[in-house]
Amino acid sequence: GAVVSQHPSRVICKSGTSVKIECRSLDFQATTMFWYRQFPKKSLMLMATSNEGSKATYEQGVEKDKFLINHASLTLSTLTVTSAHPEDSSFYICSATSGMYNEQFFGPGTRLTVL
Amino acid sequence: DQQVKQNSPSLSVQEGRISILNCDYTNSMFDYFLWYKKYPAEGPTFLISISSIKDKNEDGRFTVFLNKSAKHLSLHIVPSQPGDSAVYFCAASEGSNYKLTFGKGTLLTVNP
Repeated sequence: GAVVSQHPSRVICKSGTSVKIECRSLDFQATTMFWYRQFPKKSLMLMATSNEGSKATYEQGVEKDKFLINHASLTLSTLTVTSAHPEDSSFYICSATSGMYNEQFFGPGTRLTVL
Repeated sequence: DQQVKQNSPSLSVQEGRISILNCDYTNSMFDYFLWYKKYPAEGPTFLISISSIKDKNEDGRFTVFLNKSAKHLSLHIVPSQPGDSAVYFCAASEGSNYKLTFGKGTLLTVNP
C-alpha cells in the first residue's frame, strides 16, 4: 500500500506557541489530504479536508484560524496549530488519497502536548 | 449524533477462534465501508473495505459482511491470532467524496 509519513511524531510546547506538523505521501501523489484528531478512547474526528492548491474545507466547530492547513504540493500538507493551549493537546493524524485509491492511507500520527 | 456506531468498546477471544466485530450506521447515503486497525500511538492501517453493491468481501483471514437493510456491517477474523490485538475502527463514506466518518473503535484482545 501507499506510505504516508508525519513529522514530528511527538512534540511538547509551551502554551501560546505555534506548532507545525507535516504530512507527506512518500510514493504517490495525494490529490486530497485529511487531518484528524483523536482524543483518548474516542473516535478519529475529521478536522479538515485539503485539496492540493486550494483552501482547506473545515468541519463544523473547527476554527480555521487556529488550525492552519496548507497543501502546497501533491506530496505535502501541513497543519499549524496557532497559539496552542493545553486543550489542544491531542493525537493528530493525517491521511492521504488520490484518484487511484478508494481508501485513505494514514500517517503514523503526531502526539501534541501543550504545557 | 453519531452516524457510525461500534457499540462494543472491547472484545476478548481465544487464539484460533473467530473474532466478530460489529458496526452500525444511520446515514443511508453511506455507500462505502472500511475497517481500519490501529495500534496505540500509531495511525490506522487499512484492512478491508466493501462497497454497498456487495454483501461480502473476503481477504485472507478477514471477511466483511454488509447488511444494508439493517444498516449493519461486521468484520470476521478467523482464525484470530495474538497479533490481531488492536483497536478496530469501522468507517463509512458517501460516494467518492472520500470523507470518512469513524466509529469509536473496538479493542480486540486475542489471548494465546
